[in-house]
Amino acid sequence: GAGVSQSPSNKVTEKGKDVELRCDPISGHTALYWYRQSLGQGLEFLIYFQGNSAPDKSGLPSDRFSAERTGGSVSTLTIQRTQQEDSAVYLCASSWLTAKRGSSGNTIYFGEGSWLTVV
Amino acid sequence: AQKVTQAQTEISVVEKEDVTLDCVYETRDTTYYLFWYKQPPSGELVFLIRRNSFDEQNEISGRYSWNFQKSTSSFNFTITASQVVDSAVYFCALRGGSSASKIIFGSGTRLSIRP
Repeated sequence: GAGVSQSPSNKVTEKGKDVELRCDPISGHTALYWYRQSLGQGLEFLIYFQGNSAPDKSGLPSDRFSAERTGGSVSTLTIQRTQQEDSAVYLCASSWLTAKRGSSGNTIYFGEGSWLTVV
Repeated sequence: AQKVTQAQTEISVVEKEDVTLDCVYETRDTTYYLFWYKQPPSGELVFLIRRNSFDEQNEISGRYSWNFQKSTSSFNFTITASQVVDSAVYFCALRGGSSASKIIFGSGTRLSIRP
């Protein structure tokens, strides 16, 4: 697609329910990132995919959080047994993946985010 | 470890004033990339600029300019003749040169331009 697409845009869920957030990266982008931004806060790194594998998932806050990516494209972030502190905007970003020095592929582009509210 | 520090939490200036947003970074990578993103009230993150560590040439784009100083590990962003539409949260970010590296963001600077 032309840009990073995320769904749903907004999700209100009851505490204890599971939610799935979807990210469709820019076509051809091999790297995919998930970040979380709580109200008025900075960006908190969650997980990074290189193709279908996740070389860095150090930011996942607990074992209730998981993510997968299939086909080197779409990614799903799943939050099980949601808690009120999970309320935030979940941002997905993508880029080309290249170690080539100076490549413009090192720039990441963000989707508009999925606003999650746990009540 | 990599770290990005934006010491200015909030800045408020009157329209047409110049304003500089500070960014200081830490990394052990010899090759790395620095970014600035703008997040207006609507929430989307807008890419502004990428600077490679091996290119210290400063850049100007219209009213925006960036000053990369490797010696002080800083990558400051200046808006000249600020406008109300510049009001946003601005994030500085760092990515290492490894092919498997995440991007680390600073905590952001909230810029308010008063008419």
